[in-house]
Amino acid sequence: EAAVTQSPRNKVAVTGGKVTLSCNQTNNHNNMYWYRQDTGHGLRLIHYSYGAGSTEKGDIPDGYKASRPSQENFSLILELATPSQTSVYFCASGDAFRVQDTQYFGPGTRLLVL
Amino acid sequence: GDSVTQKEGLVTLTEGLPVMLNCTYQTIYSNAFLFWYVHYLNESPRLLLKSSTDNKRTEHQGFHATLHKSSSSFHLQKSSAQLSDSALYYCALSSNTNKVVFGTGTRLQVLP
Repeated sequence: EAAVTQSPRNKVAVTGGKVTLSCNQTNNHNNMYWYRQDTGHGLRLIHYSYGAGSTEKGDIPDGYKASRPSQENFSLILELATPSQTSVYFCASGDAFRVQDTQYFGPGTRLLVL
Repeated sequence: GDSVTQKEGLVTLTEGLPVMLNCTYQTIYSNAFLFWYVHYLNESPRLLLKSSTDNKRTEHQGFHATLHKSSSSFHLQKSSAQLSDSALYYCALSSNTNKVVFGTGTRLQVLP
C-alpha cells in the first residue's frame, strides 16, 4: 500500500510569515505533487516534481515554491504567507507520467493564515 | 486545455436510493484516462475506479462508471446508497499533457 505522510497536519501562520509544508513518501515513486483543496475549486495543482532535484510549476504556482531534495521528500514553501493561502494542502505521489497512473495522496495539511 | 466538469456541488439522497454523480470532460487526446477519486472525511483521497475504454463498464466497491467518448461523460453510479458512501467525489482526467486535471468535486450526503 502506498504511503504518503505530511507534516504538520495543522498549521496557523501569520501574514507575511514563512511556512514550510513537508511531504514524505515511501513508495519509491518518481513523481510528487502538491495540490490545494478549496470548496468550489476542487484540487488544484501547485507544483510537481519528476524526481530529486526537479520542480515544475503547476496551474497555480504564484506565491509558492517547491523543493525536492530527495526521492522521498517534497516540500512546499510559502515565503510570504497571505490569508488567501488559507486552505487544505495535499501531497501526492505517482510512479511515472503515464496517463493511467494512479496518484496516492497524503492525509492533508490544514493551513490557516491570519 | 483539458477540463473536467462536475456540475453538482452537493448531492443529498436517502439511504437505499440510487446514486448518480455526473462528470463530463474535454480533451483533444483520444487516449485519455478518466478517474473517480473518493475523499472520506479525515482520510486521504484515494482512487475509486478508472477507465480509458469506450463503452466499457468499470466497477469497484459497488460503484460503477462507463466511459462514453461520444458524449465525453464518465458518470459514477451505484444502485443503492449507503450511509458510509457519504464523501467528496472527484472526477479526474489524465491525458498526454502529463498532468491530472480534477473536477471541482461533488459532495455526496446520504441520509437515513
